[in-house]
Amino acid sequence: KNEVEQSPQNLTAQEGEFITINCSYSVGISALHWLQQHPGGGIVSLFMLSSGKKKHGRLIATINIQEKHSSLHITASHPRDSAVYICAVSRGATNKLIFGTGTLLAVQP
Amino acid sequence: NAGVTQTPKFRILKIGQSMTLQCTQDMNHNYMYWYRQDPGMGLKLIYYSVGAGITDKGEVPNGYNVSRSTTEDFPLRLELAAPSQTSVYFCASRVGLGRETQYFGPGTRLLVL
Repeated sequence: KNEVEQSPQNLTAQEGEFITINCSYSVGISALHWLQQHPGGGIVSLFMLSSGKKKHGRLIATINIQEKHSSLHITASHPRDSAVYICAVSRGATNKLIFGTGTLLAVQP
Repeated sequence: NAGVTQTPKFRILKIGQSMTLQCTQDMNHNYMYWYRQDPGMGLKLIYYSVGAGITDKGEVPNGYNVSRSTTEDFPLRLELAAPSQTSVYFCASRVGLGRETQYFGPGTRLLVL
């Protein structure tokens, strides 16, 4: 069993829909990261959180430390949100990341 | 700032050849990382460095070597390339303790035939 599990693996949505991507982990962590990888391949960090909730524009990330679970929400989804969303957890002083396998999101107009 | 840059963008190697993937960051970050990304798999850590002159193995170091002679550069060396090393390689960096966000380079796509 992977230490970081994401669901769903693939997600297709219509423009304007509210989207939720889930991440569960089984190890102790110092922080949880959400990253975005566009079709061109580049990886961008969206959020880093160790408790509670963060919001940036239409993106919201939450984490429940007790349940070892995080969600990434996208409100009013748009085709430009189409990408792979990756959950990762960091451990230890060297911040080594353990990655989930990603969720491929396609938002159709 | 250019951020994290990687060269080359794409390379085809024959089995047994060697090459160096270059990674440079201009943000004066202490920590640098090399990852590989295979289809359907999460990124895996190959090697990392906590500062110039200090490197350590990650999850999948076999077949690779690194060096960190300067803060800016963290090259990844492939010796005796094998088809199993066909992958996309990402370099990343971060400032240091207490600043955990990692900044990624654009990636190098490597095909070993």
